[in-house]
Amino acid sequence: QKEVEQNSGPLSVPEGAIASLNCTYSDRVSQSFFWYRQYSGKSPELIMSIYSNGDKEDGRFTAQLNKASQYVSLLIRDSQPSDSATYLCAVLLYNTDKLIFGTGTRLQVFP
Amino acid sequence: EAGVTQSPTHLIKTRGQQATLRCSPISGHTSVYWYQQALGLGLQFLLWYDEGEERNRGNFPPRFSGRQFPNYSSELNVNALELEDSALYLCASSLARIDGYTFGSGTRLTVV
Repeated sequence: QKEVEQNSGPLSVPEGAIASLNCTYSDRVSQSFFWYRQYSGKSPELIMSIYSNGDKEDGRFTAQLNKASQYVSLLIRDSQPSDSATYLCAVLLYNTDKLIFGTGTRLQVFP
Repeated sequence: EAGVTQSPTHLIKTRGQQATLRCSPISGHTSVYWYQQALGLGLQFLLWYDEGEERNRGNFPPRFSGRQFPNYSSELNVNALELEDSALYLCASSLARIDGYTFGSGTRLTVV
């Protein structure tokens, strides 16, 4: 089992729709979770962090964490073509003290 | 505030040569992390330096090494380059790991 797993996509959504990106992790005691956005040919950019169970909202982005299910998700409301990118889930693994990334989900928002 | 800076942007080397990649963290950040992102693959953790010491390394052979200088800048060295080392090498820095990392723009290493 991979430490952090994501569906590679692509996930295609129409402009204005809600995009839902999912991530599961294996380390039950991990405490810190992050979502990064990576445009093609660019470096990852941190967009959200979450540490507690529940939802955390920042503008059009909502991160959701369920530690019992070892599941993190990112919702993007009112998706725009400029949101088209690869979204990387990252987990700070307690047992290895390393930030481990999933392979990313490619999101395509079409007009 | 200047971000994480990496140099060079692109590097082309021949198999068997050595490559040196450089990184300057955000001012005030003492931790530097190196990741490899090969085409079609995710970010693979390489090395973590903090306060001049290597704190952790990923599952890479010893020919991947580095160091951190007193000003917290860092250097990644890859010896005996192999074709499979062709990748984007990303450096990141942080003040505290729980806050996440800020990445530089990367060095694209091509081994021919």
